[in-house]
Amino acid sequence: GAVVSQHPSRVICKSGTSVKIECRSLDFQATTMFWYRQFPKQSLMLMATSNEGSKATYEQGVEKDKFLINHASLTLSTLTVTSAHPEDSSFYICSARDDVGGQYFGPGTRLLVL
Amino acid sequence: QKEVEQNSGPLSVPEGAIASLNCTYSDRVSQSFFWYRQYSGKSPELIMSIYSNGDKEDGRFTAQLNKASQYVSLLIRDSQPSDSATYLCAVQETSGSRLTFGEGTQLTVNP
Repeated sequence: GAVVSQHPSRVICKSGTSVKIECRSLDFQATTMFWYRQFPKQSLMLMATSNEGSKATYEQGVEKDKFLINHASLTLSTLTVTSAHPEDSSFYICSARDDVGGQYFGPGTRLLVL
Repeated sequence: QKEVEQNSGPLSVPEGAIASLNCTYSDRVSQSFFWYRQYSGKSPELIMSIYSNGDKEDGRFTAQLNKASQYVSLLIRDSQPSDSATYLCAVQETSGSRLTFGEGTQLTVNP
């Protein structure tokens, strides 16, 4: 089956630093990837839709200059949390869409900003 | 009104019982419906998808869809302690488009 990986799985950083999270589709090409954020005991909230070779589409209320998304190849999208603050601490999950519309989730990245 | 609403939990059932999870959605043009299971600290995993009115069975799981009522449900027969997790309902407008999730229902199956 389709496999999506994320790296790192867990990261702890100091306030004000930037953190990059990678999302890779391992055995299929994904022209579209989605980035979600999940706070404790809440559901997944879509942050942005990442399209290979073009600018990401951000959901309302998500700052594009703070959450930088790059989808430079058909198997890799990156999310960079710039100048991270404690309120950015969350579980970040990506999903990748295959060419028949199926969506597959990565294992998630837990970010803790001190 | 939220786009996707799930019955409030937590839901607790004894081992071997049937667990019933419900979901309603507001967008009539929605075409695809999914149930995901999420264990604590893990990302969601797809357990059922349904696209047409009626029932769809897969092992101990049965999804039911009623587009007229904008309602989708998941039944888990012979519930096992390993089924204890949060179940997320997700709705998709068109194939491959964004998923909209409900807030989830936490299920506990007691041995």
